Amino acid sequence: SAVISQKPSRDICQRGTSLTIQCQVDSQVTMMFWYRQQPGQSLTLIATANQGSEATYESGFVIDKFPISRPNLTFSTLTVSNMSPEDSSIYLCSVDIYNEQFFGPGTRLTVL
Amino acid sequence: DAKTTQPPSMDCAEGRAANLPCNHSTISGNEYVYWYRQIHSQGPQYIIHGLKNNETNEMASLIITEDRKSSTLILPHATLRDTAVYYCIVRDYNTDKLIFGTGTRLQVFP
Repeated sequence: SAVISQKPSRDICQRGTSLTIQCQVDSQVTMMFWYRQQPGQSLTLIATANQGSEATYESGFVIDKFPISRPNLTFSTLTVSNMSPEDSSIYLCSVDIYNEQFFGPGTRLTVL
Repeated sequence: DAKTTQPPSMDCAEGRAANLPCNHSTISGNEYVYWYRQIHSQGPQYIIHGLKNNETNEMASLIITEDRKSSTLILPHATLRDTAVYYCIVRDYNTDKLIFGTGTRLQVFP
């Protein structure tokens, strides 16, 4: 299994600003994933982040809006740039270990 | 896009078996069926997965039809704490990506 922590757990931000979300795992993992869950909706995959390479983004998500860093095998960040109220969501990271994906607790973002 | 369809909601009496169906008619040979659940305001929790054989663990059983076009998650003795949204996911073994559908909201009542 894996223990995943995210910071911050929640935040309220002004439109036009940026927020960086951190994801820390207690073991080394190759693949990390970032998801968004809009209010009342299911999870949507934003990107896959492998250590040592550029993140791979899903359709509808671009690096300029959601830059991702993956400096080592236990850590990743997702930045939500130039935020608008439509970015209000829960952002979750996950890791894949032996064919199971473990999810962090999520970061609840509200954009005013 | 998600490759699964599930009923939007189901009810189950506490102590009874909860049987959650899932259709995945376009599943490919190397794709696994995964089940996760999400209890309100928490990250999704892994339940079980399978390829073509039925699987059982301490949480649930997974029954996959012989043609693999559908499956059923069984919670043998539902409790109030099993109230959650249950997601059936077809996962590509090569990419490791999970593409979530809309899920089934299971309400367990006393």
